[in-house]
Amino acid sequence: AQRVTQPEKLLSVFKGAPVELKCNYSYSGSPELFWYVQYSRQRLQLLLRHISRESIKGFTADLNKGETSFHLKKPFAQEEDSAMYYCALRGSNYKLTFGKGTLLTVNP
Amino acid sequence: DAGITQSPRYKITETGRQVTLMCHQTWSHSYMFWYRQDLGHGLRLIYYSAAADITDKGEVPDGYVVSRSKTENFPLTLESATRSQTSVYFCASSETVSGSPLHFGNGTRLTVT
Repeated sequence: AQRVTQPEKLLSVFKGAPVELKCNYSYSGSPELFWYVQYSRQRLQLLLRHISRESIKGFTADLNKGETSFHLKKPFAQEEDSAMYYCALRGSNYKLTFGKGTLLTVNP
Repeated sequence: DAGITQSPRYKITETGRQVTLMCHQTWSHSYMFWYRQDLGHGLRLIYYSAAADITDKGEVPDGYVVSRSKTENFPLTLESATRSQTSVYFCASSETVSGSPLHFGNGTRLTVT
């Protein structure tokens, strides 16, 4: 079975502060990990995938297999980062399992 | 992404009615998925399909039926709608390539009264 846990439902930070959205997973094989973002009343969009090891909109995420984590980080949050963030895992059958999401609010 | 479209965007229906949500993608992606999004539950997989005529249950399939007669279409039918099926429904598709992400439609907001 594959499972994704996002322990924080809500996260509130001030503009310019660092932000970390936590994601832990459970999967017996080699997972593919993704972060998706959903801005207010919009469709979900891919933000990051672990195989790309890229930085998008200043966000980065590193897969830590020892801790089974894929935390999303940004050193300086911006107001436009306010959104719902979902961590997702794909196993060998190509279906994506999502966490329950973290609502990030960046205050001015 | 204009390549995956859902219709209708909004739907209000009564308990007990049958309703079908449509999903169409233009990429010829093999995999298609239906998720429902609910506060406190995140996104839960209802059904998915690996190819035309191949479908499989997800986490919450009860009360739903899907079909995939053509690669590009993946309709979701609520056979007899219940209030607990009030939700936002997202269709998604992906290639069968390692690392390829899901591409989501705009969603259908369904209210069952």
